[in-house]
Amino acid sequence: GENVEQHPSTLSVQEGDSAVIKCTYSDSASNYFPWYKQELGKRPQLIIDIRSNVGEKKDQRIAVTLNKTAKHFSLHITETQPEDSAVYFCAASIGTGGFKTIFGAGTRLFVKA
Amino acid sequence: GAVVSQHPSWVICKSGTSVKIECRSLDFQATTMFWYRQFPKQSLMLMATSNEGSKATYEQGVEKDKFLINHASLTLSTLTVTSAHPEDSSFYICSAPGETQYFGPGTRLLVL
Repeated sequence: GENVEQHPSTLSVQEGDSAVIKCTYSDSASNYFPWYKQELGKRPQLIIDIRSNVGEKKDQRIAVTLNKTAKHFSLHITETQPEDSAVYFCAASIGTGGFKTIFGAGTRLFVKA
Repeated sequence: GAVVSQHPSWVICKSGTSVKIECRSLDFQATTMFWYRQFPKQSLMLMATSNEGSKATYEQGVEKDKFLINHASLTLSTLTVTSAHPEDSSFYICSAPGETQYFGPGTRLLVL
């Protein structure tokens, strides 16, 4: 089955700096890669996603890159703000229908003011 | 966007009792739903896939007789934790697929 590895487990940056979180996946059939932000006690919130036919996607301060050959994808947050502090999860699945989503272990991001 | 609800949002029960958690897709139909468990400071671990009209599919290591799943209709899946023990205390989240996965708000279970 699919296995998703995520690094680092903890990331501390200064406000205004960039943050990068990296993930690798094992199942070459996976073609949908969402990123979630989760605040304590709440549901995961989708912040950006990418499908396998695209190598990069950007939404304001957030971007995701995908390297299908190497089976890794990364989240980039620029101009970080204290409110970006949260736990971020990468995930992988085969489409978004009846196929299950497997999550990475999570990265706890601290943005220091 | 699509909305998924869960009930209850939190529950406290005594060890040995059973607890039922409901997951509903409010404005769309879901033939498949997923149940996750999340322990403190850990990731979401997929427990099982709930299938409308057929048996649930459980992930390796998840006891199907302990975590009963029933997909009663195209908008409702239930997870029953039977004979709950303190180690079952966790945050349980369901999701339903659409353009992406739509997550319920989660149910926090505390077993005393």
